[in-house]
Amino acid sequence: AQRVTQPEKLLSVFKGAPVELKCNYSYSGSPELFWYVQYSRQRLQLLLRHISRESIKGFTADLNKGETSFHLKKPFAQEEDSAMYYCAPPGFQKLVFGTGTRLLVSP
Amino acid sequence: GAGVSQSPSNKVTEKGKDVELRCDPISGHTALYWYRQSLGQGLEFLIYFQGNSAPDKSGLPSDRFSAERTGGSVSTLTIQRTQQEDSAVYLCASSLGRSSYNEQFFGPGTRLTVL
Repeated sequence: AQRVTQPEKLLSVFKGAPVELKCNYSYSGSPELFWYVQYSRQRLQLLLRHISRESIKGFTADLNKGETSFHLKKPFAQEEDSAMYYCAPPGFQKLVFGTGTRLLVSP
Repeated sequence: GAGVSQSPSNKVTEKGKDVELRCDPISGHTALYWYRQSLGQGLEFLIYFQGNSAPDKSGLPSDRFSAERTGGSVSTLTIQRTQQEDSAVYLCASSLGRSSYNEQFFGPGTRLTVL
C-alpha cells in the first residue's frame, strides 16, 4: 500500500532562508510523486511532479530512492510561499496524500 | 475555461439531518474524486468515479455516506443522518483520465458544519 509521511506539521522560517519540506514514502511500483500546494483562500493545486523534473516558483524536489524521500526544497523562501504543502504518491486511480506541512515564512 | 465548481460553498446543518454536496467537474474530465479535509487530519480520500461508475469506494467512512455521478459529469455526495464528526471541508477534484498520474484539478470545497 502507498503511504507517505510528512513529519513536520509546521515549518516556520524567515524570508530568505532555505526551506526543506520533508516527505518520505513507502510505495510499491513506479515512484511517481507529486507536491500539491494550498495557499490561503485558494484551491489545492499541483505544484510540481517528479517526472517533469522542473522547478516551479523556485521549488525543486528530488526523488531519492535510497532514502525513499521526495523532499521539497527552495534556496530562498519568500513570504508568498506561506501555504499548506501536501506530498502525494499516486495510488491506483487515486492520490494518497500525506498529512501536510504548513509553511510559514516570516518577514 | 471554467474550473471545478462545488456547491454550496458553506453548509450548516443540524445533527441528524441529511445533506447533499454537489460537484461540477471540468468538461471532458472522465475521472472525479471526493476528498475530505479535516483539521489535523489532512486530506482523506473518499471515493473515485470513472465515468458514472465508482470502482473505488474504499474511503467512505460509513454507510451514511454515498455518492453518485450522472451523465459522466455532475456528482453528488450525500451524507445521511449527519454527525458532528462529519464537519469538514469536502473537496472535489477531476482529471482527464483514470490514471492517478494525471493532474487533479480541485474545486473550492464545501465547508460543512454540523451543529
